[in-house]
Formats: sequence, C-alpha cells, structure tokens
Amino acid sequence: GIQVEQSPPDLILQEGANSTLRCNFSDSVNNLQWFHQNPWGQLINLFYIPSGTKQNGRLSATTVATERYSLLYISSSQTTDSGVYFCAVRSRYNTDKLIFGTGTRLQVFP
Amino acid sequence: GAGVSQSPRYKVAKRGQDVALRCDPISGHVSLFWYQQALGQGPEFLTYFQNEAQLDKSGLPSDRFFAERPEGSVSTLKIQRTQQEDSAVYLCASRPGASEKLFFGSGTQLSVL
Repeated sequence: GIQVEQSPPDLILQEGANSTLRCNFSDSVNNLQWFHQNPWGQLINLFYIPSGTKQNGRLSATTVATERYSLLYISSSQTTDSGVYFCAVRSRYNTDKLIFGTGTRLQVFP
Repeated sequence: GAGVSQSPRYKVAKRGQDVALRCDPISGHVSLFWYQQALGQGPEFLTYFQNEAQLDKSGLPSDRFFAERPEGSVSTLKIQRTQQEDSAVYLCASRPGASEKLFFGSGTQLSVL
C-alpha cells in the first residue's frame, strides 16, 4: 500500500520562529489533508490540499502531486501550535480511506 | 450536533470482556470512518461506512472487531474478548457527501488490563 513519511519527526521551536514540515508519499494521490493533533488528542483538520497552495492565517500548505510531496509552513509560531502534525493521503487507486503519515511532533516554547 | 461525538471518553476493560464504543457523527454526514491510534503512532484505518453500508472493513485487525451503522447515522464499534493489544485510542470521523474534509471526534481511550 501507499507509504507516507513525514519529516522531521520532532521539532522544537521558540515562540515567533518559522518552520516547514514535509510529507512524502509513495504513490499518486487524489486527496491530501493536514491535521493538527493537540495535546488533548483532538485532531483538527487544517487543510484539504490535493494540489496547489492554500493559506489560512499563519499556516500555509503546498502540495506538488507530480513530485509526491506536500509542505506545511507555520509562521510566527505560538505555544498553542504545539502538538503533532499529520498528513493523510488517499491513493487514487484505492477506496475512500485516508492513510496517515508518521507525524511531526512540534513543541513551541515561550 | 456541532461536532463528532464519541462515548465513552475513557473505557477500562478486563481482558476477555466485550466493549462497545459509540460514535455520533455530524448531522447529515454521509461517510463515517473508524481509526485506531496506538500511543505515539498515527491513526490507522479500521473501517468505513457510506450511509448504512459498510464499504471497507479491510483494517479491522481480527474477527473480534465488528462495526455497524444500522440507520446511517450513529455507529458502534464492538470489540469482543478484548486483549491487551487492543489498548489504544479509537477515533471516529465523518465527512459530508459534498466535501472531502474529514472531521474527527475526541476519541475513546480504551485500556485493557
């Protein structure tokens, strides 16, 4: 099945810093979503972005489907950005299930 | 409701006990998914419903796991004869018919002793 790898696995930042999280996938996809899992375990949908670029406040994401990767940019990080960031993809050859990546654990310190 | 609701929030079971986990999706959402998340891992797909039809159950780890959505809204994930390796957070997600975005509940944390 499709493999989804995220990097870096862990990231420690001081408040105000910028960061880039990467998601690589091993096959063609027709659905890619980024999620933030907060320290209480709640998964929040950040972006639905199978291709192109989107921005939402301090967050933006870019997916280059032909090269099989996606990037999540966090600017001016805040302590509330802490948690685990997952990308999840759906293979264009498969059913409706989203396959989650390994995650990037972000800690933002004041 | 405003979001996906799961109950109970926490469940402790003795090994061999049967458990039932409930998911109330967002009203009107056609698709419903169950995921299992082990500590420190990403969510792993278990099963998927479109309305009352279970279209994919390829992720269910054994025949002890059973899911249903009889009226196309509330879903129940049942685990029979629980074992320690079943300990995990069980997440439910729903999606409206016209959108690809997935919305998750807070999960049920199952601990099997």
